[in-house]
Amino acid sequence: DTAVSQTPKYLVTQMGNDKSIKCEQNLGHDTMYWYKQDSKKFLKIMFSYNNKELIINETVPNRFSPKSPDKAHLNLHINSLELGDSAVYFCASSPIAGNTGELFFGEGSRLTVL
Amino acid sequence: EDKVVQSPLSLVVHEGDTVTLNCSYEVTNFRSLLWYKQEKKAPTFLFMLTSSGIEKKSGRLSSILDRKELSSILNITATQTGDSAIYLCAVLYSGNTPLVFGKGTRLSVIA
Repeated sequence: DTAVSQTPKYLVTQMGNDKSIKCEQNLGHDTMYWYKQDSKKFLKIMFSYNNKELIINETVPNRFSPKSPDKAHLNLHINSLELGDSAVYFCASSPIAGNTGELFFGEGSRLTVL
Repeated sequence: EDKVVQSPLSLVVHEGDTVTLNCSYEVTNFRSLLWYKQEKKAPTFLFMLTSSGIEKKSGRLSSILDRKELSSILNITATQTGDSAIYLCAVLYSGNTPLVFGKGTRLSVIA
């Protein structure tokens, strides 16, 4: 009964391709996030969604688009992949936006762009 | 300019040593500070601190916040090889902003 699950865990693809990473949480949380962790292990926020509304959109390229069909899912779609997109992408959730601060993370999706 | 700064960036110690990891942050709209441990996969929650001077403790790990100095420390006593990980400090600011993470401290404990 994984609380926050991501698929796929590993993704290897060519430059220029379009790919998606899916995330689901069964915790009943209101807010979900996507973080990018680079090779130096720096975790940086990309997006957060609260009740299907985008509430934070950091300065990420518009090739990245979050899609939330419902409160329990937040998928990440990436167009025209570039080498610099290679990273581990973490999905996370929290009970209420900005309330406790504690995040529950998925296990990460390692994206490698060749 | 980084809002959350951790030091050292990496540290190698021997089993049994005591280590202290540092985290400093910007004060504007500060709400709480959190520590996470990341081994091979996802970060796992350790502590959340909101008030100065109140130590949080879990086994050999403890942490305290100093709001006057805008910093926090994470102590690990009698380190074990299983403590080897990246320790991440994160700060929650007011409003609808998500956690802001520092760059982490990579701790390696050798036998």
